[in-house]
Amino acid sequence: QLQLQESGPGLVKPSETLSLTCTVSGGSILSSGDYWAWIRQPPGKGLEWIGNVYDSGSHHYNPSLKNRVTISLDASKNQFSLRLTSVSAADTALYYCARALAVDAFDIWGRGTMVTASS
Amino acid sequence: QSVLTQPPSASGTPGQRVSISCSGSSSNIGTNNVNWYQQVPGAAPRLLIYSINERPSGVPDRFSGSKSGASASLAISGLQSEDEADYYCAVWDDRLNSVVFGGGTKLTVL
Repeated sequence: QLQLQESGPGLVKPSETLSLTCTVSGGSILSSGDYWAWIRQPPGKGLEWIGNVYDSGSHHYNPSLKNRVTISLDASKNQFSLRLTSVSAADTALYYCARALAVDAFDIWGRGTMVTASS
Repeated sequence: QSVLTQPPSASGTPGQRVSISCSGSSSNIGTNNVNWYQQVPGAAPRLLIYSINERPSGVPDRFSGSKSGASASLAISGLQSEDEADYYCAVWDDRLNSVVFGGGTKLTVL
């Protein structure tokens, strides 16, 4: 059974870089046709898609974050990661990693990890 | 302001049928498949419906989806107390080149 687990610092200073890792267990991150995604949810608010990475290594990013976000795969560790530069208080959120059946159909989710951007 | 518009709240009594709407445009719902997510408090979202009306394994057939033009709906029949949750629609938007989520609908089972 495929499982995803987010990890990374819970506190990031404004203007610094947020880095999170999603570890995939119970299956290979290079399974044919799978997409891998990051989605976030500010406290008390709705869901916001950050971006997808594909087993080929190509990606789609939310245009509103495009200049600040990088999502990459590390097949040797069965992990994928998120980097978000120049964070501000607006980036404070619960960050989820997920597997996607299609570009917008996220069928397996991690439990989420809370990241606060504050000095 | 979400690209997809959902009512902020909905309610029903046990056993009732309720419907939640999601209104978009020709660049998203009008062209692409809609997906629905359920999020109970304190938990990660769960994919409920994909490709308009397909259910992942384990999702009861009480949940169904439909689409007409640039709008979509999620219907829940035989409402149960465990259905009390937030529901989100999501779809790819061709104009924005982005996945967009609706603002969410909080369903209360009275």
